[in-house]
Amino acid sequence: QVQLVQSGPEVKRPGSSVKVSCKASGGTFSSYAVSWVRQAPGQGLEWMGGIIPIFTTATYAQNFQGRVAISTDESTSTDYMELRSLRSDDTAVYYCTYSLYSGSPPDYWGQGTLVTVSS
Amino acid sequence: EIVMTQSPATLSVSPGERATLSCRASQSVSSTLAWYQQKPGQAPRLLIYGASTRATGIPARFSGSGSGTEFTLTISSLQSEDFAVYYCQQYNNWPSFTFGQGTKLEIK
Repeated sequence: QVQLVQSGPEVKRPGSSVKVSCKASGGTFSSYAVSWVRQAPGQGLEWMGGIIPIFTTATYAQNFQGRVAISTDESTSTDYMELRSLRSDDTAVYYCTYSLYSGSPPDYWGQGTLVTVSS
Repeated sequence: EIVMTQSPATLSVSPGERATLSCRASQSVSSTLAWYQQKPGQAPRLLIYGASTRATGIPARFSGSGSGTEFTLTISSLQSEDFAVYYCQQYNNWPSFTFGQGTKLEIK
């Protein structure tokens, strides 16, 4: 059974950066994709971007272009999402997700990482 | 960008009754449509993919239909554990996705 375990909660100052990690276990992955989704308090789900590790090139939602970087380290089965120039409205729970098969929607989700941006 | 619109925002239904949730895409997404259930404090859970295929372990009371721009999630006989928020998601340009804003299914 695939498990995604994310790094712990973070408290950050406005203008700083945060890097959240997501470690996968319990499966063998080939044509999979990793996506990051966030959820502000009391709000809906927002797709931030994704990467197909075998291609290494990430694609990002327009709202986050230039501020987010998604990467993967296949040697350790760990994925990363870095968000820069943090603002108070970036306070949210950040989820990593896996789509195990090419063209499939995310079927595995991490437990979520709360990032709080506050001065 | 494909915009997904869900309706209604809140749906009040009694246990044992049927619930019908709608999702509309701003342009055709063929059948690349998924539904998720989210309960408070939990990550979303995949219910339906390919517009109508139930994910592993999802009860038969959940069914999805539609293609192109109009989609429906039906829960045939609501159980207490079904009261949650439901999101539709298109993945037509994988791995780019967009979600609807959600429908809260509450007990009447």
